[in-house]
Amino acid sequence: QQQVKQSPQSLIVQKGGIPIINCAYENTAFDYFPWYQQFPGKGPALLIAIRPDVSEKKEGRFTISFNKSAKQFSLHIMDSQPGDSATYFCAAHVSGNTPLVFGKGTRLSVIA
Amino acid sequence: GAVVSQHPSWVICKSGTSVKIECRSLDFQATTMFWYRQFPKQSLMLMATSNEGSKATYEQGVEKDKFLINHASLTLSTLTVTSAHPEDSSFYICSASEVRRQGYGYTFGSGTRLTVV
Repeated sequence: QQQVKQSPQSLIVQKGGIPIINCAYENTAFDYFPWYQQFPGKGPALLIAIRPDVSEKKEGRFTISFNKSAKQFSLHIMDSQPGDSATYFCAAHVSGNTPLVFGKGTRLSVIA
Repeated sequence: GAVVSQHPSWVICKSGTSVKIECRSLDFQATTMFWYRQFPKQSLMLMATSNEGSKATYEQGVEKDKFLINHASLTLSTLTVTSAHPEDSSFYICSASEVRRQGYGYTFGSGTRLTVV
């Protein structure tokens, strides 16, 4: 049973565009929602994270929108660049020392 | 920021041999280490969770006798793939958790590409 559903599976945008990646969850015990960026042959790196008490968080060109009632959250990348081409994973976490639950990932390609 | 050093970054071994992968938390004490396996174009699959000084907890379907995990200190965890076979070829990633002001933080190693020939 997949606890975090991520879409789309892949995404192609032109440079300067705003790719949006969506995730949905069912478990209301989740209290931490990070996004990770992974380049080929590398481990995931934390991009930005949000907790359910806020509806939006911005860090540089990356923004998370969070809708607690709909149990959905999304990542927006402003002014996307070819260097943003990577796989993005959303994740969710239940409080305590427990593992992250990952979405299936979105392969983003930003073309010049 | 928190750094997890994972070695080796890639390894090629012959079938039947064993391979050890190390993960070290460089500037913090890792309460727990998580080990993941990732196949091409797929998400991370949790293999096991290890706490310092205790036995690892393995996910369903993961052979504990094949994937030996040792977490002898708060800064070092190792994954040993024993009697490796070509189907064990994969990308292995560790993640360390630490207690932070707003709950737990998770830092990932850079991954190890294992190829069994």
